[in-house]
Amino acid sequence: QVTLKESGPGMLQPSKTLSLTCSFSGFSLSTSGMVVSWIRQPSGKSLEWLAAIDWDGDKYYNPSLKSRLTVSKDTSNTQVFLKITSVDIADTATYYCAREIVMPTGDLDYWGQGVMVTVSS
Amino acid sequence: DVVMTQTPPSLSVAIGQSVSISCKSSQSLVASDKNTYLNWLLQSPGRSPKRLIYQVSKLDSGVPDRFSGSGSEKDFTLKISRVEAEDLGVYYCLQGTHLPYTFGAGTKLELK
Repeated sequence: QVTLKESGPGMLQPSKTLSLTCSFSGFSLSTSGMVVSWIRQPSGKSLEWLAAIDWDGDKYYNPSLKSRLTVSKDTSNTQVFLKITSVDIADTATYYCAREIVMPTGDLDYWGQGVMVTVSS
Repeated sequence: DVVMTQTPPSLSVAIGQSVSISCKSSQSLVASDKNTYLNWLLQSPGRSPKRLIYQVSKLDSGVPDRFSGSGSEKDFTLKISRVEAEDLGVYYCLQGTHLPYTFGAGTKLELK
């Protein structure tokens, strides 16, 4: 059974660095082709794809945010991390991680429950 | 970036009615491998998005055959026959042919 779960700070101040963790089970990120993506959704709005990391350690970023994003994974291939630097109010959103079997296809077949992040002073 | 234009923004339906949602892309979604990576997702109230359809018309496991996807190149449609209460929520199209992946603005399906 594939599951993903996001965790994060809940709230942070503008200009700080947001650190998010995606913990997953039911698959291994060391399996050829496997990918984990990060997507976010401001309240009441649509979805925005942010970044992804694949089984081989290759990283993909949304160019609109690339300078502020860093995606990484742990050596056990059971967690993926996302850092967003210099956050501001516009980064307030629910952040999701999702699995993809082959990239690029957008076939995000399993999603986490999401973690809400509020940027506020 | 590929712009995904989804219409209508909302639909008010009665149970048992059929509805269609349109999604048009600013570029062809035919990939170099000849596949078309257009997905449909449903976000039920308070829940995370769930994939319903991938590669235009392939239904995910467990998705009722009341759902169907069609289209090609830049023009795609999701059809729901005989809407049920569990179908209510926001539907999104997602293109995965071009990076960065992009989503439509969503179509909210509500009960009349």
